[in-house]
Parts: sequence; structure tokens; C-alpha cells
Amino acid sequence: ETGVTQSPTHLIKTRGQQVTLRCSSQSGHNTVSWYQQALGQGPQFIFQYYREEENGRGNFPPRFSGLQFPNYSSELNVNALELDDSALYLCASSLVAGVEKTQYFGPGTRLLVL
Amino acid sequence: RKEVEQDPGPFNVPEGATVAFNCTYSNSASQSFFWYRQDCRKEPKLLMSVYSSGNEDGRFTAQLNRASQYISLLIRDSKLSDSATYLCAVNKRGSQGNLIFGKGTKLSVKP
Repeated sequence: ETGVTQSPTHLIKTRGQQVTLRCSSQSGHNTVSWYQQALGQGPQFIFQYYREEENGRGNFPPRFSGLQFPNYSSELNVNALELDDSALYLCASSLVAGVEKTQYFGPGTRLLVL
Repeated sequence: RKEVEQDPGPFNVPEGATVAFNCTYSNSASQSFFWYRQDCRKEPKLLMSVYSSGNEDGRFTAQLNRASQYISLLIRDSKLSDSATYLCAVNKRGSQGNLIFGKGTKLSVKP
């Protein structure tokens, strides 16, 4: 196992609600990246946090926001949920930010928006 | 054109077969390359990084062709347990480390 944990494992919300997903990175890792994986697709990069700062963002609207804490754990917040937000949300941790640093994924949170 | 493209398959092969997947990428600034394995309803797990000189890990061999902008994964002596979706991922210089994934190639190994 990678040592990356996520909670909750499953979540059901209704359109317009807000959700917070949590991730604890692998011990010694200081960077957390979040991805969204819709059914039948590869994961899509949402954003990355390094030393409590956003360190890169993909093509997602501002209603997707995040935080990183001093212990390197992280949260992903999604406001005004839409049906298309239904997906597997993955966090990945790595040692430092940057291109060559291998990312290890947590088990994901499966979000269903009704 | 998508940044990373893979044949979605499925590839249905008998046990013991050799199977190869290709993954093409469009951005020549891509710098690091990976193969991940993803089982149904699970997270992607790193299978191997792909180095310029090619690399091997047991039955798995990965190759990189920068000139033609593709990476490949060869699986020899396929096992039933190799059945999964194989995702290729690339990231590019200056991208802050975010991975760009293909949609994945589904492999089904039959007895």
C-alpha cells in the first residue's frame, strides 16, 4: 500500500450542495495533487499543493478549491455541486513538487451527485 | 488532438501470451513518463516509470521513443492477475508535476 489515505470512501450529495474531501499524504511526502476521474476516463489534474500553497492548477472552475495543512494533509472542497461532478476523486502524494517526482495515489473518494 | 492517447481496447489475450500497448503524446516538452495499473473501482498504482534507455521489471518492459513521441509497455507471459486497465501518464517540464493521463487500455487475460 502507498500509505496515502482518503476519506470518506463514498459520498452522495445533491446538486447545489458543497462537499469536502480529505487526504493524508504518505509519510515524508510534502506535495499533494488532486485528480478527478470520471467513468471510462483517465484521471484529470485538478490542482497541486506544496508547502501549503497551490502549486499548479488544471482546467477546473474556481468552485473547486483546496487547502494543505502543516502536516501536509489536504482537503478538496467543491461548491455548488453539479451532476457532472460525479466521479472518483483521487489524491496523490509525492516528495517534492516538480516533474520527475513519482506520485502515489490514495484509494479515492467516490462522489455521486444526484 | 488529445495530449495523451491510448487504444482503449479491450485486449483479450490467453494466459501466457505477450501483449504490447502503445501510448502517444503530443507535447514534445513532455519530460517524465509512467505506466500505472488500475483495477476495477480502485486507484491507479504505479507499475513503472519509463526511462529513455528503456527499462524492464520482471515480465514488464517499458520503452520510450522521443522521436515518434510514444511510450510502450510489453507484458510477457501474461497472467490472469494482469487483467486490469493500464494508464499511461506524462508530465512536462514546467508543469509543476501534474500528470496527464490517457484514458487507459483495458487488458483481459483469459484462461
